[in-house]
Amino acid sequence: SQQGEEDPQALSIQEGENATMNCSYKTSINNLQWYRQNSGRGLVHLILIRSNEREKHSGRLRVTLDTSKKSSSLLITASRAADTASYFCATGADSWGKLQFGAGTQVVVTP
Amino acid sequence: DVKVTQSSRYLVKRTGEKVFLECVQDMDHENMFWYRQDPGLGLRLIYFSYDVKMKEKGDIPEGYSVSREKKERFSLILESASTNQTSMYLCASSPTGEEQYFGPGTRLTVT
Repeated sequence: SQQGEEDPQALSIQEGENATMNCSYKTSINNLQWYRQNSGRGLVHLILIRSNEREKHSGRLRVTLDTSKKSSSLLITASRAADTASYFCATGADSWGKLQFGAGTQVVVTP
Repeated sequence: DVKVTQSSRYLVKRTGEKVFLECVQDMDHENMFWYRQDPGLGLRLIYFSYDVKMKEKGDIPEGYSVSREKKERFSLILESASTNQTSMYLCASSPTGEEQYFGPGTRLTVT
């Protein structure tokens, strides 16, 4: 069953603009992770935020987590054409490290 | 760098054939996962393994089985391939409770 739901489903922006996508989930979690997938390839881990954290940064990425609203956001600042990809949120809730993925947000950055 | 490899990038099989998809990781991770990815559905977990010879069903195990005889290798088996198993198959590994490292994926077509 899908736990995370990303919004929007698709996003088109120009280089230099910021891209924001949101993820909502339904049940309690241990952590929330964001992954990127370039067309037809495997997923690449971007950032992990634990349930007791509210915000995390990594380079041009900023992730927030609001456990009271069961939601997270991923902000990509100063986007580049190379950021064109699908972005997935995934929630982890058990000790095995199993993840539940959302359907993803497709981001297109035009030069 | 963690490396997860999958035996084939593209595979075409006939209905009723037995299909083996292999995944190898080189980082001594305890956990390994098999997902299938379909448009609009995100990634769905088929099976995972937390140790050699140990396996657990994921969300959609029907029609699949797995084998983990060595820590670095996790195989997905389609006992009798059907057209509704046409999909992208992704393998991942992780140390327990942390981010997952994905292979490049196998795009399987069953005709």
